[in-house]
Amino acid sequence: SQTIHQWPATLVQPVGSPLSLECTVEGTSNPNLYWYRQAAGRGLQLLFYSIGIGQISSEVPQNLSASRPQDRQFILSSKKLLLSDSGFYLCAWNKELSTDTQYFGPGTRLTVL
Amino acid sequence: KQEVTQIPAALSVPEGENLVLNCSFTDSAIYNLQWFRQDPGKGLTSLLLIQSSQREQTSGRLNASLDKSSGRSTLYIAASQPGDSATYLCAVRGGGATNKLIFGTGTLLAVQP
Repeated sequence: SQTIHQWPATLVQPVGSPLSLECTVEGTSNPNLYWYRQAAGRGLQLLFYSIGIGQISSEVPQNLSASRPQDRQFILSSKKLLLSDSGFYLCAWNKELSTDTQYFGPGTRLTVL
Repeated sequence: KQEVTQIPAALSVPEGENLVLNCSFTDSAIYNLQWFRQDPGKGLTSLLLIQSSQREQTSGRLNASLDKSSGRSTLYIAASQPGDSATYLCAVRGGGATNKLIFGTGTLLAVQP
């Protein structure tokens, strides 16, 4: 069966510090991978998606970036965090772009102080 | 631009009651609609996926309907239980190759024992 992991589970970082969140998927190959952010009082917002190694598409301009160094690994990064980057970050995967549901990881709670 | 709205934002019901959650979307050109459940501080769990050609889907005590032409979906929960307490999110997948999901802000459900 497939599983999706995210770490860390929680993170408290000062403004201006770098960020690296990791997501890995097990039990499947060549998944589509997604990063979402859930800010307080707002719905989930798609940040990045990837259909293959090294292929990243950005949905929202921001100071965040994403990379996919391996087939089942998706990383969300920032060089300098802003207060507005605080939120709950969720990674998701699926196989079929058009019909498949998305399977979400447990999330990372990021607080920027 | 697709917008997804969920009403009510919060709902409290006694155990055993049947209930309906509502989701509306502004652009009827969707590929599918999904209902998710999110427990506090956790990731999302997919409940039901309705393709645009379908009218409803059922899983156990859950039934989701889709009226694409009117831009509405409902999630019916029969014989509610305290374990059903969670935030329920609906999301629509629009056109394009990204499988981008547009989420509503959710309905927070509390089932009182």
